[in-house]
Amino acid sequence: GAGVSQSPRYKVAKRGQDVALRCDPISGHVSLFWYQQALGQGPEFLTYFQNEAQLDKSGLPSDRFFAERPEGSVSTLKIQRTQQEDSAVYLCASSPNRGDSYMNTEAFFGQGTRLTVV
Amino acid sequence: TQLLEQSPQFLSIQEGENLTVYCNSSSVFSSLQWYRQEPGEGPVLLVTVVTGGEVKKLKRLTFQFGDARKDSSLHITAAQPGDTGLYLCAYQHGSSNTGKLIFGQGTTLQVKP
Repeated sequence: GAGVSQSPRYKVAKRGQDVALRCDPISGHVSLFWYQQALGQGPEFLTYFQNEAQLDKSGLPSDRFFAERPEGSVSTLKIQRTQQEDSAVYLCASSPNRGDSYMNTEAFFGQGTRLTVV
Repeated sequence: TQLLEQSPQFLSIQEGENLTVYCNSSSVFSSLQWYRQEPGEGPVLLVTVVTGGEVKKLKRLTFQFGDARKDSSLHITAAQPGDTGLYLCAYQHGSSNTGKLIFGQGTTLQVKP
């Protein structure tokens, strides 16, 4: 596809359930980011991949959150034992540049997955 | 991590009005980016400002980077309902090797027909 694709668009989970959110970045993009966005707020960084390497996971809120990008393309964000405070929109973004390049790079965002934990 | 303060948080105006939203910090940035996020969509980059005092125009949108590179503003002339959305300023966290973006909390703009 032409853009970043995320699935599912909407997910309702019962508290304690595990969920997996998928991101298909733009083909050939080296960098992949996950962000969490509360309603009416700016996105907050969760984790970063350069190809298959997870170089920064400093934003993951707890050890219940896990992300992978095993082949350097598709990425999955997994949340175990979901809690109500995990309810948010999860955004994936990709970029053609390496994160350590000194160029201002444009991040291309997907539409997000809206997770509601009930 | 430097903070970006955006104001106002929420703005509701009539079609045809002008408006300005602000992005302020006590820190100096090498550049700032502005994004617009429409309901149900991801943020889309509008512009990157790099030079202190720089002014960039995108149709009815005018972006300015402060002389000291600590703040930025976005001015919209003759707002239209299609301008409705969340306007976000952001900077790239330069001391990391990830290029991760740090966003302000955003300004939600509603333009009524």
